Amino acid sequence: EDQVTQSPEALRLQEGESSSLNCSYTVSGLRGLFWYRQDPGKGPEFLFTLYSAGEEKEKERLKATLTKKESFLHITAPKPEDSATYLCAVQAAGGGNKLTFGTGTQLKVEL
Amino acid sequence: DAGVTQSPTHLIKTRGQHVTLRCSPISGHKSVSWYQQVLGQGPQFIFQYYEKEERGRGNFPDRFSARQFPNYSSELNVNALLLGDSALYLCASSSPREGNNEQFFGPGTRLTVL
Repeated sequence: EDQVTQSPEALRLQEGESSSLNCSYTVSGLRGLFWYRQDPGKGPEFLFTLYSAGEEKEKERLKATLTKKESFLHITAPKPEDSATYLCAVQAAGGGNKLTFGTGTQLKVEL
Repeated sequence: DAGVTQSPTHLIKTRGQHVTLRCSPISGHKSVSWYQQVLGQGPQFIFQYYEKEERGRGNFPDRFSARQFPNYSSELNVNALLLGDSALYLCASSSPREGNNEQFFGPGTRLTVL
């Protein structure tokens, strides 16, 4: 069974204090690993898809990386508007569109 | 371009009732997936439909059913509601093409069962 574990569960940063979120996964053939951002009461907002170990993608202050067992979401010099829950999900080869999500990391960035 | 739309935004039902939730995918997307998100948890996969056919089903009871229409919009139906069905129901659309399997979510329908 596919599994995704995210850590930490919650993270509090000062504005400008860089950090990383971790996503560990086990999947029977990775088709893709996805990162989403979710604000309270809203649907997840797509950030990145990573397909193979060694791949990296960047968007503004966010950078996602992938190894064979885990992915990291690096946040550089965060701002209060980066506060949200960050979700990681995997899609297995042969599993259709099904995404298996972790429980997320709740990030709060303070002034 | 409009994103994924869902209706209604909020819904309150009582135990034993049934509910129908609706989703319109991004224009040009032919695949729709449904997820249930309980507070504090990640979304859990319920169904995927592509070209009006069921292509995947998660570990949910038969009280949950769905269908997709010729215009690619979709409905999720839940019968005999239980308190535990209270959740945010999310719809995601995608355009399955070679090398592109990104899914885009709608704002969700918040269902409360009393």
